[in-house]
Amino acid sequence: GAGVSQSPSNKVTEKGKDVELRCDPISGHTALYWYRQSLGQGLEFLIYFQGNSAPDKSGLPSDRFSAERTGGSVSTLTIQRTQQEDSAVYLCASSLLAGGSGDTQYFGPGTRLTVL
Amino acid sequence: AQKITQTQPGMFVQEKEAVTLDCTYDTSDPSYGLFWYKQPSSGEMIFLIYQGSYDQQNATEGRYSLNFQKARKSANLVISASQLGDSAMYFCAMREYGQNFVFGPGTRLSVLP
Repeated sequence: GAGVSQSPSNKVTEKGKDVELRCDPISGHTALYWYRQSLGQGLEFLIYFQGNSAPDKSGLPSDRFSAERTGGSVSTLTIQRTQQEDSAVYLCASSLLAGGSGDTQYFGPGTRLTVL
Repeated sequence: AQKITQTQPGMFVQEKEAVTLDCTYDTSDPSYGLFWYKQPSSGEMIFLIYQGSYDQQNATEGRYSLNFQKARKSANLVISASQLGDSAMYFCAMREYGQNFVFGPGTRLSVLP
């Protein structure tokens, strides 16, 4: 597709359930990023997939959060045993290169997660 | 230490006037890139403009220009002829070579009619 796509756009779940959020990066982009944004707040970095290298998981807030990227393209962010504090917008971004200082990130529309 | 500082949590500007959104950064790496993103109330992050550390001239994209002062480590965004649709959150970001992106806390711009 022309841009980064994410699904679902909205997800409402009950506390304790697992959720999966999907991100389709721009075709050919080697780097993929996940961020979390709580209402009215800035971006919180979660995880960064950089080409064939091991992902940078330093931003994952707990072991309930995990992400994978299959075939260097689509990525899934999984949150297990969701908590109310997980409610936020989850943004995915991709960039052409992995590591270049001039490499621009392009963002998807986000998934709004609400945990009841 | 904060790598990106945006000291203005909120800004107001009259329609058709110019406005400057401040961004200062901290790095010892000679190779880095600076980015500005706009986030309207719809929530999407829209890339606006990029400035490379080795660029000799300030970047411009339509009504957006980046006032890059390397010695002062500042990368202010200038929006000329503000429009109501410019009302949004604006984020400054930096990427050092080989490192991840770092975002500032954002500035909320409100354009008044």
